[in-house]
Amino acid sequence: DIVMTQSPDSLVVSLGERATINCRSSQSVIYSSDKKNYLGWYQQKPGQPPKLLIYWASTRESGVPDRFSASGSGTDFTLTISSLQPEDAAVYYCQQYTTTPWTFGQGTKVEIK
Amino acid sequence: QLHLQESGPGLVKTSETLSLTCTVSGGFISGGGYYWAWIRQPPGKGLEWVGCFWYGGNTYYTPSLRSRVTISVDASKNQYSLRMTSVTAADTSIYYCARRRPGGARGGFDIWGQGTMVTVSS
Repeated sequence: DIVMTQSPDSLVVSLGERATINCRSSQSVIYSSDKKNYLGWYQQKPGQPPKLLIYWASTRESGVPDRFSASGSGTDFTLTISSLQPEDAAVYYCQQYTTTPWTFGQGTKVEIK
Repeated sequence: QLHLQESGPGLVKTSETLSLTCTVSGGFISGGGYYWAWIRQPPGKGLEWVGCFWYGGNTYYTPSLRSRVTISVDASKNQYSLRMTSVTAADTSIYYCARRRPGGARGGFDIWGQGTMVTVSS
């Protein structure tokens, strides 16, 4: 199985400040046939299902604000929220969909200071 | 717009079988080359992919649950189901059904049901 490890487990950020979440995979998530990183980022708020923010490691899903950006390739990835808004308080997960079992990181809780 | 809705009993007795159904509306399970999955989340914890199928193709399960889980589809009803045998308290979770796009077509679980809470208790 590909193990996804996020850091930190939680962070507290002031409104308008930057939040950065890291995700590392135990092996590369580059899909051999198209060379794309099969990695997604999700946001989950209490009582709601996760919402897909990013696919292919760095492409924003339609409708996702541009303060959300992501980067990385191979085994190391980052999600950045450039200017934290109150509605961004949530748990964020990375997930690889290169190889079954598709696995998630343990989650990073973002709180507003 | 595609909509997924989970249904099933909220309480299952220890050692018995958990059965859930996901009803898909606004689109067809049989079209588009998507993967249709079950994902679970124990209260206060992270997400675990349980398994999925690709219509007309294979069914995949997470190894730790493979011996107890079956995913089946009824295309005529536009539904798919999860069956988990010999449940224990560790299977207590919110169970989500979700659609995954093909990897070459962006990938990722883009549509989720609201989830259904299943408690396993004696």
